[in-house]
Amino acid sequence: AQKVTQAQTEISVVEKEDVTLDCVYETRDTTYYLFWYKQPPSGELVFLIRRNSFDEQNEISGRYSWNFQKSTSSFNFTITASQVVDSAVYFCALNAGGTSYGKLTFGQGTILTVHP
Amino acid sequence: EPEVTQTPSHQVTQMGQEVILRCVPISNHLYFYWYRQILGQKVEFLVSFYNNEISEKSEIFDDQFSVERPDGSNFTLKIRSTKLEDSAMYFCASGGSRTNEKLFFGSGTQLSVL
Repeated sequence: AQKVTQAQTEISVVEKEDVTLDCVYETRDTTYYLFWYKQPPSGELVFLIRRNSFDEQNEISGRYSWNFQKSTSSFNFTITASQVVDSAVYFCALNAGGTSYGKLTFGQGTILTVHP
Repeated sequence: EPEVTQTPSHQVTQMGQEVILRCVPISNHLYFYWYRQILGQKVEFLVSFYNNEISEKSEIFDDQFSVERPDGSNFTLKIRSTKLEDSAMYFCASGGSRTNEKLFFGSGTQLSVL
Protein backbone atom coordinates (compact mmCIF):
# COMPACT_ATOMS: atom_id res chain seq x y z
CA ALA A 1 0.00 0.00 0.00
CA GLN A 2 1.12 3.52 -0.69
CA LYS A 3 0.81 6.45 1.62
CA VAL A 4 1.73 10.11 1.60
CA THR A 5 1.84 12.18 4.74
CA GLN A 6 1.93 15.94 4.86
CA ALA A 7 2.14 16.60 8.55
CA GLN A 8 1.70 20.35 8.26
CA THR A 9 -1.98 21.12 7.91
CA GLU A 10 -1.56 24.87 7.71
CA ILE A 11 1.37 27.22 7.46
CA SER A 12 1.22 30.97 7.72
CA VAL A 13 4.14 33.20 6.74
CA VAL A 14 4.79 36.81 5.95
CA GLU A 15 5.77 37.77 2.44
CA LYS A 16 9.47 37.28 1.62
CA GLU A 17 9.92 34.57 4.20
CA ASP A 18 11.16 31.18 3.06
CA VAL A 19 8.86 28.26 3.74
CA THR A 20 9.31 24.50 3.51
CA LEU A 21 6.47 22.08 3.02
CA ASP A 22 7.16 18.57 4.23
CA CYS A 23 6.19 15.35 2.50
CA VAL A 24 6.90 11.81 3.67
CA TYR A 25 5.89 8.83 1.59
CA GLU A 26 5.60 5.07 1.94
CA THR A 27 5.81 2.50 -0.81
CA ARG A 28 7.30 -0.94 -1.33
CA ASP A 29 7.92 -0.32 -5.00
CA THR A 30 11.46 0.39 -6.07
CA THR A 31 10.25 2.39 -9.04
CA TYR A 32 7.97 5.26 -8.17
CA TYR A 33 7.29 8.87 -8.95
CA LEU A 34 6.70 11.81 -6.69
CA PHE A 35 4.74 14.91 -7.55
CA TRP A 36 3.82 18.27 -6.13
CA TYR A 37 0.63 20.01 -7.18
CA LYS A 38 -0.65 23.45 -6.27
CA GLN A 39 -4.35 24.15 -5.79
CA PRO A 40 -5.00 27.89 -5.77
CA PRO A 41 -8.29 29.33 -4.49
CA SER A 42 -9.77 28.92 -7.98
CA GLY A 43 -9.66 25.16 -7.41
CA GLU A 44 -7.69 23.68 -10.27
CA LEU A 45 -4.70 21.40 -9.71
CA VAL A 46 -1.52 22.83 -11.13
CA PHE A 47 1.42 20.55 -11.74
CA LEU A 48 4.68 21.74 -10.18
CA ILE A 49 7.15 18.88 -10.43
CA ARG A 50 7.60 15.16 -11.04
CA ARG A 51 10.58 13.24 -9.74
CA ASN A 52 11.38 9.56 -10.25
CA SER A 53 12.84 7.32 -7.59
CA PHE A 54 16.17 6.95 -9.34
CA ASP A 55 16.93 10.62 -9.48
CA GLU A 56 17.84 12.05 -6.12
CA GLN A 57 19.21 15.30 -7.44
CA ASN A 58 17.63 18.31 -5.91
CA GLU A 59 15.85 20.61 -8.30
CA ILE A 60 15.43 24.33 -8.41
CA SER A 61 12.96 26.24 -10.52
CA GLY A 62 12.99 29.94 -9.83
CA ARG A 63 11.86 30.44 -6.24
CA TYR A 64 10.88 26.79 -5.90
CA SER A 65 13.20 23.99 -4.89
CA TRP A 66 12.71 20.35 -4.00
CA ASN A 67 14.75 18.11 -1.75
CA PHE A 68 14.32 14.37 -2.41
CA GLN A 69 15.88 12.05 0.14
CA LYS A 70 15.24 8.33 -0.28
CA SER A 71 16.96 7.55 3.01
CA THR A 72 14.20 9.36 4.89
CA SER A 73 11.44 8.83 2.28
CA SER A 74 10.93 12.54 2.04
CA PHE A 75 10.29 14.93 -0.79
CA ASN A 76 10.18 18.41 0.66
CA PHE A 77 9.30 21.59 -1.16
CA THR A 78 10.76 25.00 -0.38
CA ILE A 79 9.51 28.35 -1.57
CA THR A 80 12.10 31.07 -1.26
CA ALA A 81 11.03 34.66 -0.73
CA SER A 82 7.35 33.76 -0.60
CA GLN A 83 4.74 35.96 -2.25
CA VAL A 84 1.05 36.46 -1.64
CA VAL A 85 0.32 34.64 -4.91
CA ASP A 86 1.90 31.53 -3.42
CA SER A 87 -1.09 31.21 -1.11
CA ALA A 88 -2.72 27.91 -2.00
CA VAL A 89 -3.11 24.32 -0.93
CA TYR A 90 -0.10 22.23 -1.87
CA PHE A 91 -0.37 18.51 -2.40
CA CYS A 92 2.38 15.96 -2.51
CA ALA A 93 1.51 12.79 -4.43
CA LEU A 94 3.01 9.39 -5.13
CA ASN A 95 2.66 7.05 -8.07
CA ALA A 96 4.15 3.58 -8.32
CA GLY A 97 5.13 2.35 -11.74
CA GLY A 98 3.83 -0.64 -13.62
CA THR A 99 0.12 -1.24 -13.75
CA SER A 100 -0.67 1.61 -11.41
CA TYR A 101 0.32 4.23 -13.95
CA GLY A 102 -1.55 7.46 -13.43
CA LYS A 103 -2.97 6.47 -10.09
CA LEU A 104 -1.73 9.12 -7.72
CA THR A 105 -1.95 8.80 -3.99
CA PHE A 106 -2.24 12.29 -2.58
CA GLY A 107 -1.29 13.61 0.80
CA GLN A 108 -3.76 15.58 2.86
CA GLY A 109 -2.42 18.86 1.58
CA THR A 110 -0.84 21.83 3.30
CA ILE A 111 -2.66 25.15 3.30
CA LEU A 112 -0.12 27.90 2.80
CA THR A 113 -1.11 31.46 3.56
CA VAL A 114 1.30 34.22 2.71
CA HIS A 115 0.45 37.54 4.33
CA PRO A 116 1.54 40.84 2.83
CA GLU B 1 -0.11 24.89 -22.69
CA PRO B 2 -2.86 22.41 -23.64
CA GLU B 3 -5.79 22.11 -21.28
CA VAL B 4 -8.22 19.53 -20.00
CA THR B 5 -11.70 21.01 -20.12
CA GLN B 6 -14.50 20.04 -17.76
CA THR B 7 -18.17 20.92 -17.92
CA PRO B 8 -20.17 22.02 -16.10
CA SER B 9 -18.14 23.83 -13.49
CA HIS B 10 -20.97 23.43 -11.00
CA GLN B 11 -23.75 20.85 -10.92
CA VAL B 12 -26.57 20.71 -8.42
CA THR B 13 -28.77 17.65 -8.33
CA GLN B 14 -31.32 15.93 -6.16
CA MET B 15 -30.45 12.75 -4.34
CA GLY B 16 -31.26 9.73 -6.47
CA GLN B 17 -30.84 11.54 -9.76
CA GLU B 18 -28.34 10.58 -12.42
CA VAL B 19 -25.58 12.98 -13.33
CA ILE B 20 -23.04 12.98 -16.11
CA LEU B 21 -19.84 14.93 -15.74
CA ARG B 22 -18.03 15.73 -18.93
CA CYS B 23 -14.40 16.13 -19.77
CA VAL B 24 -12.46 16.88 -22.92
CA PRO B 25 -8.93 15.53 -22.43
CA ILE B 26 -5.92 16.80 -24.30
CA SER B 27 -6.33 15.65 -27.86
CA ASN B 28 -3.35 13.31 -28.30
CA HIS B 29 -3.53 11.80 -24.83
CA LEU B 30 -4.39 8.14 -24.35
CA TYR B 31 -4.82 7.77 -20.60
CA PHE B 32 -7.75 9.25 -18.75
CA TYR B 33 -8.64 9.53 -15.10
CA TRP B 34 -11.25 10.71 -12.68
CA TYR B 35 -10.41 11.92 -9.20
CA ARG B 36 -12.57 13.47 -6.56
CA GLN B 37 -12.02 15.78 -3.62
CA ILE B 38 -14.55 16.02 -0.85
CA LEU B 39 -14.49 19.49 0.68
CA GLY B 40 -11.43 19.96 2.86
CA GLN B 41 -10.09 16.48 2.20
CA LYS B 42 -7.42 14.95 0.05
CA VAL B 43 -7.75 14.26 -3.64
CA GLU B 44 -8.73 10.62 -4.23
CA PHE B 45 -8.29 8.41 -7.27
CA LEU B 46 -11.48 6.99 -8.73
CA VAL B 47 -10.68 5.32 -12.03
CA SER B 48 -8.22 5.10 -14.88
CA PHE B 49 -9.21 4.41 -18.48
CA TYR B 50 -7.12 3.31 -21.42
CA ASN B 51 -7.88 1.75 -24.78
CA ASN B 52 -11.61 2.04 -24.18
CA GLU B 53 -11.65 0.13 -20.96
CA ILE B 54 -11.11 0.65 -17.27
CA SER B 55 -7.50 -0.02 -16.27
CA GLU B 56 -7.94 0.34 -12.56
CA LYS B 57 -10.57 1.55 -10.16
CA SER B 58 -10.68 2.36 -6.49
CA GLU B 59 -13.03 1.07 -3.83
CA ILE B 60 -15.00 4.28 -4.17
CA PHE B 61 -15.84 3.47 -7.78
CA ASP B 62 -18.73 1.12 -7.15
CA ASP B 63 -21.57 0.03 -9.42
CA GLN B 64 -23.14 3.48 -9.23
CA PHE B 65 -20.26 4.90 -11.24
CA SER B 66 -19.40 4.36 -14.87
CA VAL B 67 -17.09 5.96 -17.38
CA GLU B 68 -17.29 6.23 -21.10
CA ARG B 69 -15.47 7.69 -24.04
CA PRO B 70 -18.44 8.07 -26.37
CA ASP B 71 -16.50 9.69 -29.18
CA GLY B 72 -12.95 10.67 -29.96
CA SER B 73 -12.90 13.69 -27.72
CA ASN B 74 -15.14 13.36 -24.67
CA PHE B 75 -14.63 11.37 -21.50
CA THR B 76 -17.58 11.14 -19.13
CA LEU B 77 -18.25 10.07 -15.58
CA LYS B 78 -21.80 8.97 -14.81
CA ILE B 79 -23.20 8.58 -11.35
CA ARG B 80 -26.36 6.54 -11.67
CA SER B 81 -28.20 7.41 -8.47
CA THR B 82 -26.52 10.16 -6.56
CA LYS B 83 -26.14 10.13 -2.81
CA LEU B 84 -25.45 13.00 -0.45
CA GLU B 85 -21.93 11.70 0.08
CA ASP B 86 -21.19 12.04 -3.64
CA SER B 87 -21.00 15.79 -3.15
CA ALA B 88 -17.43 16.67 -4.06
CA MET B 89 -15.21 18.31 -6.62
CA TYR B 90 -14.58 15.89 -9.47
CA PHE B 91 -11.40 16.26 -11.47
CA CYS B 92 -10.68 14.77 -14.83
CA ALA B 93 -7.07 14.19 -15.83
CA SER B 94 -5.27 12.94 -18.89
CA GLY B 95 -1.77 11.72 -19.65
CA GLY B 96 0.10 11.09 -22.85
CA SER B 97 2.15 8.02 -22.08
CA ARG B 98 2.95 5.28 -19.63
CA THR B 99 6.14 6.94 -18.48
CA ASN B 100 4.45 8.60 -15.57
CA GLU B 101 4.88 12.08 -16.87
CA LYS B 102 2.75 14.75 -15.30
CA LEU B 103 -0.98 14.39 -15.38
CA PHE B 104 -2.90 17.34 -16.71
CA PHE B 105 -5.89 18.07 -14.53
CA GLY B 106 -9.00 19.95 -15.49
CA SER B 107 -10.42 22.71 -13.32
CA GLY B 108 -13.02 20.39 -11.85
CA THR B 109 -16.80 20.05 -11.56
CA GLN B 110 -18.26 20.87 -8.18
CA LEU B 111 -21.13 18.45 -7.63
CA SER B 112 -23.67 19.23 -4.94
CA VAL B 113 -26.23 16.58 -4.10
CA LEU B 114 -29.23 17.89 -2.15
